[in-house]
Amino acid sequence: DTAVSQTPKYLVTQMGNDKSIKCEQNLGHDTMYWYKQDSKKFLKIMFSYNNKELIINETVPNRFSPKSPDKAHLNLHINSLELGDSAVYFCASSQVLGGGGYTFGSGTRLTVV
Amino acid sequence: GENVEQHPSTLSVQEGDSAVIKCTYSDSASNYFPWYKQELGKGPQLIIDIRSNVGEKKDQRIAVTLNKTAKHFSLHITETQPEDSAVYFCAASRANAGNMLTFGGGTRLMVKP
Repeated sequence: DTAVSQTPKYLVTQMGNDKSIKCEQNLGHDTMYWYKQDSKKFLKIMFSYNNKELIINETVPNRFSPKSPDKAHLNLHINSLELGDSAVYFCASSQVLGGGGYTFGSGTRLTVV
Repeated sequence: GENVEQHPSTLSVQEGDSAVIKCTYSDSASNYFPWYKQELGKGPQLIIDIRSNVGEKKDQRIAVTLNKTAKHFSLHITETQPEDSAVYFCAASRANAGNMLTFGGGTRLMVKP
């Protein structure tokens, strides 16, 4: 059983399109996150949800909108995709907000052409 | 906010040698310090962590040390093997609500057979 699963694994799309990435965790964790990893491997927090409530919203363009229908799911919708959005996006979850180890998904490689 | 710096950015060792990766953090209130290993095409995986009430922790060939006064912590891998080759990330956080893991920039470790 995959603990944190993301779909799709690869996403290639044209500039200006709207796309979504889905994330689900079956660990019973209360908190979920989205991280962006750029080409230099730097991991940057984008959003965090605790029990379906937005906790952290870093300086991310408002073209990115997270949605958490329940505490096991945190989806990421991106409007009007730009070339600079190309990166690997990781979903993660933890039992306690910031206080324990994260479990990461395997990532979604987004390529905007 | 927290700032975590990690060195070196790349590290090449011969199989059987030891590898050391160092991180410094800026927030003296940080009290949780995990290390993650990211293999090619996968998400980061927690390999070891340490809390601020402990100075050292070992798990087989991996050890982490923490110097709270100097605000730095290190990962030590002994008897390196080719399968240790990966990107390693350190991180820091306060273990209470509203604080995220802040990651270092990563170290690409290459173990030559």
